[in-house]
Amino acid sequence: EVQLLESGGGLAQPGGSLRLSCAASGFTFSNYAMNWVRQAPGKGLEWVSRISGGGYSSNYTDSVKGRFTITRDNSKNTLYLQMSSLRAEDTAIYYCAKQDQMMDWGQGTLVTVSS
Amino acid sequence: DIVMTQTPLSSPVTLGQPASISCRSSQSLVYSDGNTYLSWLQQRPGQPPRLLIYQISNRFSGVPDRFSGSGAGTDFTLKISRVEAEDVGVYYCMQATQFPLTFGQGTKLEIE
Repeated sequence: EVQLLESGGGLAQPGGSLRLSCAASGFTFSNYAMNWVRQAPGKGLEWVSRISGGGYSSNYTDSVKGRFTITRDNSKNTLYLQMSSLRAEDTAIYYCAKQDQMMDWGQGTLVTVSS
Repeated sequence: DIVMTQTPLSSPVTLGQPASISCRSSQSLVYSDGNTYLSWLQQRPGQPPRLLIYQISNRFSGVPDRFSGSGAGTDFTLKISRVEAEDVGVYYCMQATQFPLTFGQGTKLEIE
């Protein structure tokens, strides 16, 4: 059974940083691209970033380019999202999702950016 | 960016009756490999999203056969043959043909 467990969310000040993690199990992690998708309170889904299975290529939505970095450690079956220069509009539940067609999702971790 | 437009944004339906949601993309979703990366996701209240349909019409593991997808190019449809109470939630179409990946606005399915 595929399991994705996000962690690392919490309260951050504007301009601050957070690192999200997504621990994966139940599949061969290194074989799959992984994505971060976020959902602001009461809003729809927004794709944030994607990394290839081997970790050699990544993509970002324009609003986070230069501020967020996606990485993965295939030896630990873990996906990361390093978030810096946080803004109020980054407040959202952040989900990790397996594969570009979003075949499996975690439960999400809430990031709140507020002073 | 590819814009995904869903209609309707809200759909009141009667239990046991069919429901249909449309999704239109601003450009063709056919990828260079010949596949069309259009998915449908369901988000029940208080839950994370869940994949229902991928590549237009393929039901994901465990998805009931009352859900079906169709379409081609830029026009796609999700159909529920007979709505059940557990189908309440928001439905999103999503394209994975081109970065940035983009979602429709969501369609809220409610029971009348």
